Amino acid sequence: EAQVTQNPRYLITVTGKKLTVTCSQNMNHEYMSWYRQDPGLGLRQIYYSMNVEVTDKGDVPEGYKVSRKEKRNFPLILESPSPNQTSLYFCASRTTDEQYFGPGTRLTVT
Amino acid sequence: AQRVTQPEKLLSVFKGAPVELKCNYSYSGSPELFWYVQYSRQRLQLLLRHISRESIKGFTADLNKGETSFHLKKPFAQEEDSAMYYCAPLVGGGNKLTFGTGTQLKVEL
Repeated sequence: EAQVTQNPRYLITVTGKKLTVTCSQNMNHEYMSWYRQDPGLGLRQIYYSMNVEVTDKGDVPEGYKVSRKEKRNFPLILESPSPNQTSLYFCASRTTDEQYFGPGTRLTVT
Repeated sequence: AQRVTQPEKLLSVFKGAPVELKCNYSYSGSPELFWYVQYSRQRLQLLLRHISRESIKGFTADLNKGETSFHLKKPFAQEEDSAMYYCAPLVGGGNKLTFGTGTQLKVEL
């Protein structure tokens, strides 16, 4: 089954403790991206990657890092999480016709 | 500034009533436009794209280049249409899918 997976689905952590949210797709898509979803603000793009070893900033990249060492994986790294990064995060991969989203990761930073 | 606007945060209609979810964009050129939907506790999924000119689940969306709008319409709302709807233009030479702030549609019995 074609899909985008994310782990973990839920995470509660403390300020400053590094964390990684994994994202994997099995559709051989070149393009992947990360979004955060906040009430009243919709989805905002954090980072995107057009292919292996090619990443670029989206609209709200501050406080986040990504890497794209292999086509299928696109992890999101928070080196020092802060409470304002409490949000719902979505990974996505796409073709020219459609973007496929992961199930979301709900992150709470206390 | 280039942006996509969904003016209504919440739209509440009765079952069987017509629905129109508004979307206006201000990007230069002719961006490709999409509508995505997010049902409760589910991931976002594509509803329709303007190029295909298709009707999905009774929804249609017409691109009006003069008004730079891409409103989503359905003649008779159903309870299962209750969801969050996002208008999304593909910009940046096809490199970036940008989302509006979304409209929560609530269909009441």
